[in-house]
Amino acid sequence: SQKIEQNSEALNIQEGKTATLTCNYTNYSPAYLQWYRQDPGRGPVFLLLIRENEKEKRKERLKVTFDTTLKQSLFHITASQPADSATYLCALAPTSGTYKYIFGTGTRLKVLA
Amino acid sequence: GAVVSQHPSRVICKSGTSVKIECRSLDFQATTMFWYRQFPKQSLMLMATSNEGSKATYEQGVEKDKFLINHASLTLSTLTVTSAHPEDSSFYICSARTPGLAAWAEAFFGQGTRLTVV
Repeated sequence: SQKIEQNSEALNIQEGKTATLTCNYTNYSPAYLQWYRQDPGRGPVFLLLIRENEKEKRKERLKVTFDTTLKQSLFHITASQPADSATYLCALAPTSGTYKYIFGTGTRLKVLA
Repeated sequence: GAVVSQHPSRVICKSGTSVKIECRSLDFQATTMFWYRQFPKQSLMLMATSNEGSKATYEQGVEKDKFLINHASLTLSTLTVTSAHPEDSSFYICSARTPGLAAWAEAFFGQGTRLTVV
């Protein structure tokens, strides 16, 4: 069956460290993968997009990698801050051209001061 | 980025009543909007795709008579939960995309509506 898995356990890290979140998928061949941030009681906010032919994407302190062989995307936040505490969702487009993205359950990140 | 406004942010209603949730695109015309529901610690589940001027497209397992969607203008889509029951209590979120952009373009989400049916 098709699945998107993110670590459901909360990730606690110390301020200043690099946070690494994982998104694994099975039985998909996504054309694109996106990462969103969601704060409690709020809608998701787009962070980064990576395409199937891209290995890595960066935006300020954020970095996303995409390994289509491992069927995995990693999301990194460097020099993490308490303000980065939120739930991070990965979402993939199962086929090229579709607007119907499939979302993971998200990983809750808590950055400790 | 584009702004999508959702209203109300919270609503409590009695079992058996209907509740309407509004989703507006404030600075762009959204020909297509999407409605999701999210249970605690679960992923966003797409309920339906709302198309301006035509009927919504519902995902498998979503009752279209229970979740009425109207997309009467290019900036407004509404979701009405009819005859609500406690199991309909959830977080409902709408999203929209800027028309003409590729499918990989980001989605803009509303703030979400926490519905509690008592």
